[in-house]
Amino acid sequence: DAKTTQPPSMDCAEGRAANLPCNHSTISGNEYVYWYRQIHSQGPQYIIHGLKNNETNEMASLIITEDRKSSTLILPHATLRDTAVYYCIVRVVGGTASKLTFGTGTRLQVTL
Amino acid sequence: DTGVSQNPRHKITKRGQNVTFRCDPISEHNRLYWYRQTLGQGPEFLTYFQNEAQLEKSRLLSDRFSAERPKGSFSTLEIQRTEQGDSAMYLCASSSTGTGVETQYFGPGTRLLVL
Repeated sequence: DAKTTQPPSMDCAEGRAANLPCNHSTISGNEYVYWYRQIHSQGPQYIIHGLKNNETNEMASLIITEDRKSSTLILPHATLRDTAVYYCIVRVVGGTASKLTFGTGTRLQVTL
Repeated sequence: DTGVSQNPRHKITKRGQNVTFRCDPISEHNRLYWYRQTLGQGPEFLTYFQNEAQLEKSRLLSDRFSAERPKGSFSTLEIQRTEQGDSAMYLCASSSTGTGVETQYFGPGTRLLVL
């Protein structure tokens, strides 16, 4: 699976949009981009995934560049409860493809 | 709650003792994964099952570790002769390879402390 690069930490004011970047310049055509987050002492929580089109769900939006070498997770109106470590993962889907390979993620701190 | 559940949530043991953790996946999910997470690091893959078959094991899974999923439903992870280096959060995730893109959903984890 392709490696990803994320900034180690970011701050965001409550109520503002949080834009978390991820570089995955070696991504292959059959690899999806997944985002998870982990709030302190809890298990990782699935947020969203995409292949090449932009995606939106009730939690966030995922913007993938046309060349697929980078993406941005957008939390439109961050709250204090969004303070967490956010992981960007690229992964082949299908067949015997299995594990998620986590990096160290981006620690997002939402402040008043 | 129909999510992934793990028991116990916390375990403290003495070095050399055996411990066993249980994971109950989301109903009808055919894949079940185990990960380990140490402080300040992201989760690391240990092993996974498709139904009752164990299809992949990480090199992290030493001979002291064994995992089972006897009927393709719940799974257990046993650590024999625990060492202080085994102290970590043990996470379970499940997924379905049925329709759509496979997505893993995680449980709350079991935090192990070996004294």
